[in-house]
Amino acid sequence: GQNIDQPTEMTATEGAIVQINCTYQTSGFNGLFWYQQHAGEAPTFLSYNVLDGLEEKGRFSSFLSRSKGYSYLLLKELQMKDSASYLCAVRGYGGATNKLIFGTGTLLAVQP
Amino acid sequence: DSGVTQTPKHLITATGQRVTLRCSPRSGDLSVYWYQQSLDQGLQFLIQYYNGEERAKGNILERFSAQQFPDLHSELNLSSLELGDSALYFCASGEERAGGSVGEQFFGPGTRLTVL
Repeated sequence: GQNIDQPTEMTATEGAIVQINCTYQTSGFNGLFWYQQHAGEAPTFLSYNVLDGLEEKGRFSSFLSRSKGYSYLLLKELQMKDSASYLCAVRGYGGATNKLIFGTGTLLAVQP
Repeated sequence: DSGVTQTPKHLITATGQRVTLRCSPRSGDLSVYWYQQSLDQGLQFLIQYYNGEERAKGNILERFSAQQFPDLHSELNLSSLELGDSALYFCASGEERAGGSVGEQFFGPGTRLTVL
């Protein structure tokens, strides 16, 4: 089976750093994705990890530990526009499919 | 703009009715994925098509069906609609590479379905 856990909500201050954790249990693993979703809008791609370690893209970084079934998304220099839901998604290795299994998302509120 | 288009943007209908949602993938993408997002459930994978053929099924109800046409656009058909079917329906597309895709999925703007 597949299970992905993330905190439901987080609050942080503008200019600060926040870390959003994700743990997963899947029958196969072929990569972990982070998406950002503003209310009522489409998810937009942030990062992708398939090997252990840290991937950095500007203010956003994502870390993966496959042995621990654990990832985090790090957001630096928070801005008000970063208030959104952050979705962790795992791609299982199921032969012909590359479907994504999503967590329920972490709603981040950035306060002045 | 992800390059994935969906129509209509909003749809309001009554219980028992049937609707069709349409999706056009990004140019060059052969795969189309459908997801349902309701307030209490998060993004749920429904079904995937690849180059016209069904490739994977998720939590898709028997009342729902989909197809992908030769021009690669896809349609999701929802029938005998119930109040609980009210949700955002997203379509996504992604590139496929030999040995399995390593690219991200690009999401369309979604269709908001309201069943009254």
